[in-house]
Amino acid sequence: AQKITQTQPGMFVQEKEAVTLDCTYDTSDQSYGLFWYKQPSSGEMIFLIYQGSYDEQNATEGRYSLNFQKARKSANLVISASQLGDSAMYFCAMRENSGYSTLTFGKGTMLLVSP
Amino acid sequence: GAGVSQTPSNKVTEKGKYVELRCDPISGHTALYWYRQSLGQGPEFLIYFQGTGAADDSGLPNDRFFAVRPEGSVSTLKIQRTERGDSAVYLCASSLGSRSYNSPLHFGNGTRLTVT
Repeated sequence: AQKITQTQPGMFVQEKEAVTLDCTYDTSDQSYGLFWYKQPSSGEMIFLIYQGSYDEQNATEGRYSLNFQKARKSANLVISASQLGDSAMYFCAMRENSGYSTLTFGKGTMLLVSP
Repeated sequence: GAGVSQTPSNKVTEKGKYVELRCDPISGHTALYWYRQSLGQGPEFLIYFQGTGAADDSGLPNDRFFAVRPEGSVSTLKIQRTERGDSAVYLCASSLGSRSYNSPLHFGNGTRLTVT
């Protein structure tokens, strides 16, 4: 089974609007972390935001916020006031606490912001 | 401060040749990871080092792939007898510690490997 599922291959949004990128995850660990990364066409992977499984508040970082619904195992990324520079691939990833844990990525969502 | 540095940024090689890809992590980061990313896909885990030792190499596709980190800093990913299917972007990442699930990985810009 996929550990990270991103069901939206592509999303379109107009500049200044908000957009939600979906992510669901699968784990039996009680302790885990959820991450979102941005990958522009240049190829670099940029860390955006982190949510821990025990965090009671949804994480926020500037225009990025994470809509964390633990019971549903979802960790959607919300980008407010989209900018043209937000056009990129966005990856959801999970790091489980069991063993030597690496980061497992979803397949990504391509976001295109239009003027 | 300096980020994760990967060299070369691009590598073109002929099928059957040997290649080495280098990664210089962020200073002070003890954990180092190699990932491979094919076009249109998310990064796939290859191998992870904690210090000098490979703590998890379960992602290496076969014995043509090998990685070292002899002094606990710079790492080299080595691919023998390259095949066209090895063509991908190879990403290196480092983090402060491996045992904490809340440490983000910081990635380099990758090496684009093309096997002709």
